[in-house]
Amino acid sequence: GAGVSQSPSNKVTEKGKDVELRCDPISGHTALYWYRQSLGQGLEFLIYFQGNSAPDKSGLPSDRFSAERTGGSVSTLTIQRTQQEDSAVYLCASSKTSGAAYEQYFGPGTRLTVT
Amino acid sequence: DQQVKQNSPSLSVQEGRISILNCDYTNSMFDYFLWYKKYPAEGPTFLISISSIKDKNEDGRFTVFLNKSAKHLSLHIVPSQPGDSAVYFCAARTFQGAQKLVFGQGTRLTINP
Repeated sequence: GAGVSQSPSNKVTEKGKDVELRCDPISGHTALYWYRQSLGQGLEFLIYFQGNSAPDKSGLPSDRFSAERTGGSVSTLTIQRTQQEDSAVYLCASSKTSGAAYEQYFGPGTRLTVT
Repeated sequence: DQQVKQNSPSLSVQEGRISILNCDYTNSMFDYFLWYKKYPAEGPTFLISISSIKDKNEDGRFTVFLNKSAKHLSLHIVPSQPGDSAVYFCAARTFQGAQKLVFGQGTRLTINP
């Protein structure tokens, strides 16, 4: 499997706890993105990493959300002091940045439930 | 502010007929549009795209039409097959927004045998 992988696939946590979600992008893809999909909504952009450039954090909904990408590959999205409104499917995607198409390839997502 | 809208949450089509999924946008700076298909418990998969300098792009059974003056695009699937049953997302990006995609809410397509 050379696709984008995410772990865990499901996470149930209590309100107020911290969670970490992991993404392994496709090898050779320099760009990595995090989105989330709340129930009945479209995908909402959270953050974008491109190579060694500073990440575009413009979609992060609050300072409880942060993400890092180590070594230009694996990324971790951290949500501190989780709230019930954080419940959603968190999707990671990666892409090449060369070429005209810029297709993003998505992982299967992590379903986060905050109780 | 919903910049990309898919006003039909669901669509049901007979197998063999044409499926038409619609998408409207408000940001005239969008220069590239994509359609993604999503099965349950899987991530979205890229289907077809179109640059704003074109008005049509075709790939097998899938054709995307872009009407810039109306800020409207549509995805045509013909003939529709049962395996096409999925949620379809329209997405767009601006040159300034680089790789950041703005997605619509999705349309659930059901192909009936």
